Amino acid sequence: DSGVTQTPKHLITATGQRVTLRCSPRSGDLSVYWYQQSLDQGLQFLIHYYNGEERAKGNILERFSAQQFPDLHSELNLSSLELGDSALYFCASSESRDSLSYEQYFGPGTRLTVT
Amino acid sequence: ELKVEQNPLFLSMQEGKNYTIYCNYSTTSDRLYWYRQDPGKSLESLFVLLSNGAVKQEGRLMASLDTKARLSTLHITAAVHDLSATYFCAVGMGGTYKYIFGTGTRLKVLA
Repeated sequence: DSGVTQTPKHLITATGQRVTLRCSPRSGDLSVYWYQQSLDQGLQFLIHYYNGEERAKGNILERFSAQQFPDLHSELNLSSLELGDSALYFCASSESRDSLSYEQYFGPGTRLTVT
Repeated sequence: ELKVEQNPLFLSMQEGKNYTIYCNYSTTSDRLYWYRQDPGKSLESLFVLLSNGAVKQEGRLMASLDTKARLSTLHITAAVHDLSATYFCAVGMGGTYKYIFGTGTRLKVLA
């Protein structure tokens, strides 16, 4: 158990809908990262937040957005969902200092199925 | 644009044998990570490599980094069935918090 929690574990929804995925980092970690894993795209870095501030964006679609709250949990919002958004979404957290070098601890993931 | 290539994509090996997984990347980077993923599970961090010539070992796995060749290797010594998993390398884009993952190597160790 990495100490990173994600809810829900599974989510089934229809095209065009909007969903919110939630992540709680390990106690004391200030950095949260979001990743998408799908069969055709592999593992992709989406976005990184540090202490409430966006630090980096990867291949995140404009229909997707994220935020990190004062209590450090993070939410990934996916809107106007398409079939191709079906994937596993992971969040990860890393140590509290603002550094590029720390290892990341991954949550169990949320499996999103868009029908 | 940073590209990361892993090979082989699939690896089936006998217990007790040695093998190496390769991770090549296309532009300069300041850090490289190796992860393990079991089927249906999340990613587990194995190694973080931060400098040229860095070598780290944990049990039967050893990772190394050659930043001049833009190459990292994950060497498996005397494989055992428990090492069966998918292994990913991930490269940090220099000076940023962005990461690019390799395609993964699915390793199956046969008893």
